Parts: sequence; C-alpha cells; structure tokens
Amino acid sequence: ETGVTQSPTHLIKTRGQQVTLRCSSQSGHNTVSWYQQALGQGPQFIFQYYREEENGRGNFPPRFSGLQFPNYSSELNVNALELDDSALYLCASSQLGGAPYEQYFGPGTRLTVT
Amino acid sequence: DQQVKQNSPSLSVQEGRISILNCDYTNSMFDYFLWYKKYPAEGPTFLISISSIKDKNEDGRFTVFLNKSAKHLSLHIVPSQPGDSAVYFCAASAEYGGATNKLIFGTGTLLAVQP
Repeated sequence: ETGVTQSPTHLIKTRGQQVTLRCSSQSGHNTVSWYQQALGQGPQFIFQYYREEENGRGNFPPRFSGLQFPNYSSELNVNALELDDSALYLCASSQLGGAPYEQYFGPGTRLTVT
Repeated sequence: DQQVKQNSPSLSVQEGRISILNCDYTNSMFDYFLWYKKYPAEGPTFLISISSIKDKNEDGRFTVFLNKSAKHLSLHIVPSQPGDSAVYFCAASAEYGGATNKLIFGTGTLLAVQP
C-alpha cells in the first residue's frame, strides 16, 4: 500500500505567477483534501475533491482551484500568487464518509513567494 | 475566528515524566476530536482521537481526555520519551461520516522531551 505523495517538495515563485502542486492519494482512497499551513499556524482547509468534483471549500478565494483525476490524484492551482501564499501545502487522502482519523497526509510542498 | 485553540506554543518535559498538551474549542457542533503529531519535513500523522460521546480514550502511552462542558481536551503522554519530541496539533471535525472530511486544526504545541 503506497502512502500519500506530493510534488514538488519545494518551490519558489514570484508574486503574480501561477503554481500547480500535485498529490497522489493513498491506494483505495477516493477523496483528496488540501490544506494550507502558514508559518506558526495549524493547517487550514482549502477544499476537498471527490469523484473529480469540488466537495466542500474553506475560506479561500477563487484563485485557489483544484482538479481531481480518475485515478484520484489531485492538483492544487494558485493564480496571481501573493506574498501571503507562502506556506506549506498539505494534501490528505481519505475515503468519503470514513472516520475523521482515516485521513492520511502527505509530506507537503513548501511554497515560497518572493 | 480560531475555533480550535492551543494556547501553549511550546512545552518542555523530562524523559519519563508526564507531558500534558491542552486544547480548547468554541464550536459545540464538533463531534470528533483528534491529535496529530508532526515531525519536520513530514506530514501530520494521526495519533489518537475521541468521539464527543466519550470523555476518555487510551492507547498505550497516550490518553486523551474530553471535557465537553468546558470545551476542553487534553493529551497525556506517560512516560514521555525523546522520540515524542514533535509538534502536536489538536483537530476537530463536525461532519463525521458526512459530506466532507474537513478538519479544523489548532496552531500546534512544540513538545521537547529532554533526555
């Protein structure tokens, strides 16, 4: 059973640019959630994807968007990057309707916006 | 509005002693609480959880206590070991088995266990 993987590990972008982060979910999971963890903060829920559709969204602007593919892997896209977007981006895979503790996190992508 | 709060940014304890990490919440709709442990360069890993219908859950050296009237939970680690040194996040869910698996996290407590 493979775990949750994310790519790239680190990324440096300039303000105004666009970025795509990738996540491969754990085998057998059909749902991917994305979280943003700013320095000194806990992870904040961005949105969740189930069956290739957005299934719940946190308090993030529309320039944060995502995709889920038939193999349940997912992408997080951020347009018009701002300095405050600098953070660790975590994805978590799970089975929809499963217990809350059955979410498995990837190691994250560290995004720095300059 | 921070619905889940961890007011202690850091905690230092001696090996073998008890570590107590605290968490407060404001939303009475939360029905499930979890503790995650995070090492640098790794994602959070699930440690222990408790349903809102219970007041205690134990798993080996880890025990979580829930006081619903005070909207407070705590994680006890006994005995503490140097390998327990990590950031601990308290998290809550209001949608067990529901439409999303959204978790609300606290800001974390850095635990340092001194040998």
